[in-house]
Amino acid sequence: SQQGEEDPQALSIQEGENATMNCSYKTSINNLQWYRQNSGRGLVHLILIRSNEREKHSGRLRVTLDTSKKSSSLLITASRAADTASYFCATASFRDDKIIFGKGTRLHILP
Amino acid sequence: DGGITQSPKYLFRKEGQNVTLSCEQNLNHDAMYWYRQDPGQGLRLIYYSQIVNDFQKGDIAEGYSVSREKKESFPLTVTSAQKNPTAFYLCASSPPLGRPFDQPQHFGDGTRLSIL
Repeated sequence: SQQGEEDPQALSIQEGENATMNCSYKTSINNLQWYRQNSGRGLVHLILIRSNEREKHSGRLRVTLDTSKKSSSLLITASRAADTASYFCATASFRDDKIIFGKGTRLHILP
Repeated sequence: DGGITQSPKYLFRKEGQNVTLSCEQNLNHDAMYWYRQDPGQGLRLIYYSQIVNDFQKGDIAEGYSVSREKKESFPLTVTSAQKNPTAFYLCASSPPLGRPFDQPQHFGDGTRLSIL
């Protein structure tokens, strides 16, 4: 399968530091999306990056995509307490109309 | 404000019962999706629909059924054939542009289903 696998599974950092989480996948994709989920809530879309793009920014978020390594990273700069959440990557393939979510990275921002 | 409303927030089912989870959106989106999330896991796709009166199975459709009679509504029925229905169920929608899964998805706040 083309499952996205996030790394690390959990991450604790001090407020103000940068947080980096990674996503690896197995087969070719058309796009990769990052979502945030607060405990007990639905997912919130962060960034969608297409297979022909290498980097995208949105506010304090920076996403890179390396299709040769089948990996993506999400960088959150100047972290805040409100960034505490689980972060998921999702890979989409048009060849078989599939979307696969990873198991997520649990991010905890320490005051 | 536009959004997706899932109800109820919590639902309890007895063995052998069918239950229906509601999902309504006022975003004017054509595509709608149902996912299942188990503790500590990612989302798994149950069904999706790109237009009214049409829907496709996802990876774990067995034991579930859906209907799409209106653009705004995409109810999910968990049937008695689903042997392990306890999970968090999430509904999502996306704009009609392009292929399925090619646009950001907007999610509701989920329904937590438990077996009595």
